Amino acid sequence: NAGVTQTPKFQVLKTGQSMTLQCAQDMNHEYMSWYRQDPGMGLRLIHYSVGAGITDQGEVPNGYNVSRSTTEDFPLRLLSAAPSQTSVYFCASTKRGTDTQYFGPGTRLTVL
Amino acid sequence: GNSVTQMEGPVTLSEEAFLTINCTYTATGYPSLFWYVQYPGEGLQLLLKATKADDKGSNKGFEATYRKETTSFHLEKGSVQVSDSAVYFCALIRTQGGSEKLVFGKGTKLTVNP
Repeated sequence: NAGVTQTPKFQVLKTGQSMTLQCAQDMNHEYMSWYRQDPGMGLRLIHYSVGAGITDQGEVPNGYNVSRSTTEDFPLRLLSAAPSQTSVYFCASTKRGTDTQYFGPGTRLTVL
Repeated sequence: GNSVTQMEGPVTLSEEAFLTINCTYTATGYPSLFWYVQYPGEGLQLLLKATKADDKGSNKGFEATYRKETTSFHLEKGSVQVSDSAVYFCALIRTQGGSEKLVFGKGTKLTVNP
């Protein structure tokens, strides 16, 4: 199993550009989440999904969209990037009925 | 609401020193408690967990005991190694919208020098 994979590893955007951060898991986990990690802030939940076709907002959803068309994939879209979205983004998955989250390696995003 | 407070870092120790990273929580009921570790350039991975009061989680020489009376879950290791250098996150589970969410502390960076 590859576990949770994320692409790209690094990305630089200009203000106003759009992009999609990819996340995939091959463990057949029902739950998937996106977090952002900022210095001194820990991890904050952006969006999450409890299954294909179901998504909901986390703590800091503004400026981000998600969809969950399959169990495996959970992309995160930035429609119009802002410097405040400079961060490291982590995707995670969890099997329903368990409490351990499995994290991807992260995407480091810089918005100029 | 539910929250986690852990000691501010960074923490710098010499190899074989004793480690304590403090973590306290605020929550309704008795949530499961976790320590996650993030090695340089990697994502987070579960280090240990405890699901009820007085439970002790342990892994790789690290231990933490779920203390209901003091609402604490301090991480300890008797003799740290250079390879333990990482950022450590304390977390709890809360239920929102019918599913469970992790609430993280801000993280404590540990550097172990040879």
